[in-house]
Amino acid sequence: KAGVTQTPRYLIKTRGQQVTLSCSPISGHRSVSWYQQTPGQGLQFLFEYFSETQRNKGNFPGRFSGRQFSNSRSEMNVSTLELGDSALYLCASSRDPGGIPGNTIYFGEGSWLTVV
Amino acid sequence: SQKIEQNSEALNIQEGKTATLTCNYTNYSPAYLQWYRQDPGRGPVFLLLIRENEKEKRKERLKVTFDTTLKQSLFHITASQPADSATYLCALQTGANNLFFGTGTRLTVIP
Repeated sequence: KAGVTQTPRYLIKTRGQQVTLSCSPISGHRSVSWYQQTPGQGLQFLFEYFSETQRNKGNFPGRFSGRQFSNSRSEMNVSTLELGDSALYLCASSRDPGGIPGNTIYFGEGSWLTVV
Repeated sequence: SQKIEQNSEALNIQEGKTATLTCNYTNYSPAYLQWYRQDPGRGPVFLLLIRENEKEKRKERLKVTFDTTLKQSLFHITASQPADSATYLCALQTGANNLFFGTGTRLTVIP
């Protein structure tokens, strides 16, 4: 069974631009979560989508947004990019919503974003 | 404020010894605690989950303990091997929330 697929793997953007990252979950998984990972802050939760609805949102500004499609694929968008947005963006999928006790999530390889 | 701290940023250990990694948390009441392994340039991979009413969980050479009084989890790798070198992350789940991760400990097993 194919794992979580994220595209693109690497990208470089300029300050002020916007970026869209894509995530295809494991087949049969309806929950997709997004995380930002930086050396200083570690893995931080951005938001979770389940059955096309945003269930939870982390403490990030409104420049960070996402959506989920009927086939469970998800995209996240960052507008008006800042240097501090440079990070590894990880997508994770699971069969159940994130709040289900003991829910295990499966991560993709991530998208490396560099803002210059 | 809520914090999840993993004992050290980096830990070096001799091959064959037991590696012990620590995860301490404050102002959380986790129902579940999970450990993940992350290799450079890759996404984290789930290793073990332990529930708040479990004291210990084992899987092959891995052992996790969970002390809700001390607000601490210990992660042990016995008979460590160079292939165990990676960053290990602990993650807490509270109520209906998603996972909160620690910043990780980078383990290096020296041959």
